[in-house]
Amino acid sequence: AQTVTQSQPEMSVQEAETVTLSCTYDTSESDYYLFWYKQPPSRQMILVIRQEAYKQQNATENRFSVNFQKAAKSFSLKISDSQLGDAAMYFCAYRGTSGTYKYIFGTGTRLKVLA
Amino acid sequence: EAGVAQSPRYKIIEKRQSVAFWCNPISGHATLYWYQQILGQGPKLLIQFQNNGVVDDSQLPKDRFSAERLKGVDSTLKIQPAKLEDSAVYLCASSLAGGKVNEQFFGPGTRLTVL
Repeated sequence: AQTVTQSQPEMSVQEAETVTLSCTYDTSESDYYLFWYKQPPSRQMILVIRQEAYKQQNATENRFSVNFQKAAKSFSLKISDSQLGDAAMYFCAYRGTSGTYKYIFGTGTRLKVLA
Repeated sequence: EAGVAQSPRYKIIEKRQSVAFWCNPISGHATLYWYQQILGQGPKLLIQFQNNGVVDDSQLPKDRFSAERLKGVDSTLKIQPAKLEDSAVYLCASSLAGGKVNEQFFGPGTRLTVL
C-alpha cells in the first residue's frame, strides 16, 4: 500500500525568506502523481502544485517549486519570498495511475510566517 | 464558476444520534469524493463516486456510514449512530473525471462534534 510521510509537524519562516517543506512517499508503482495542497485557517483546501512522476523536470508555479527525487521517493516544496498569506497547513498527496486513483494524504505541515 | 458547496458548516450532536451532510459539486464534475479529516491529520478518503456509481469505499465504516449520489450530481453522507471518534471535518471534493488527473476542488467542509 502507498504511504505519504510528512515529518515536519510545524515550520516557521520569516517574511520574504525561503522555506522548504519535506515529504516522502512509498509506492511500488512506476507512474503516479504527487501534489502539494494548501489549507488556510478557513479550511478550504486548494492545489498549490503537482508533479507527474514520468517528468524529470521539477514543477514550478510562481514562488512555489518542488524538488522531486524519484529514486529517493522524496517530494519537497520550496516557497520563495514567503508572504503572510502563505501561512497555512500544507499537505503532500499521492495519486496512483491504476485502480481507483485514490488520493493519499500526509499528515500535514503547519507553516507559520513571521513578520 | 461556483465552487463545491457543503452544508451544514457546523454540527454538534450527541453520541448515538444520526447526522447527514450534503454536498453539491461543481457543475459537470463526474467524480465526487468524501474525506474525513480528524484534527491533526490529513484527509482520509471515505468514498469516491464516478457519476452515481461507487468507485472506492474501502475505508468507509459501512456499519455506521452510508453515502449516496443520486442522479450523479449532489451527494449525502450519513452517520448512524455517531460515535465520539467521528468528530472531524468532513470534506467533499469534486473533479472532472477519475481516470485523468484533473484537479480536485474542495468544499469548505462540515465540522462535526460528537459529545
